[in-house]
Amino acid sequence: GNSVTQMEGPVTLSEEAFLTINCTYTATGYPSLFWYVQYPGEGLQLLLKATKADDKGSNKGFEATYRKETTSFHLEKGSVQVSDSAVYFCALSDQRRDDKIIFGKGTRLHILP
Amino acid sequence: SAVISQKPSRDICQRGTSLTIQCQVDSQVTMMFWYRQQPGQSLTLIATANQGSEATYESGFVIDKFPISRPNLTFSTLTVSNMSPEDSSIYLCSVDPQSSYGYTFGSGTRLTVV
Repeated sequence: GNSVTQMEGPVTLSEEAFLTINCTYTATGYPSLFWYVQYPGEGLQLLLKATKADDKGSNKGFEATYRKETTSFHLEKGSVQVSDSAVYFCALSDQRRDDKIIFGKGTRLHILP
Repeated sequence: SAVISQKPSRDICQRGTSLTIQCQVDSQVTMMFWYRQQPGQSLTLIATANQGSEATYESGFVIDKFPISRPNLTFSTLTVSNMSPEDSSIYLCSVDPQSSYGYTFGSGTRLTVV
């Protein structure tokens, strides 16, 4: 079945550092890929998405590129801020099979001022 | 994207009781999903709710424990029945993408069972 694996946290960085959170997936179909963010005490928010190979999703300075050859969707940001501290979830769904979203375990990010 | 109102936002309940969580969407959606997020864990799909039919439950979840209603295309409820401390989690509803923007989640219900 489909699955998502993302790097374990917590990840602690200093403000303005470069961020990478790795995410790889296993899927038998043609999934769409997502990054969701959960700020402390809040629900999930969609951060970015990509629906096909080589698509790049971007939002709020974050980027992720759908790499079919490496089955990856790594999240990157060039210069993180304290306000980026949150839990980040990589996820996939294959709407041609069903509409379920499968989530990775989440990566907690701490940004130090 | 759709806007979801979920309530209550949090509750503390006695073991053995039941809590019903409501999810209201500002537009008609075909499929609604209910997730559980246990402390420090990722989200696990409980069931998929379609209007006019019984909910489809994932492995490990049963209707007697988590009955779901879906009376129309904008509303659903999830009941957590006969609660125990192990049911302490965040419960979230989600809707299928009505646009290319993607799935939308409610803000969640933080349940503590004592």
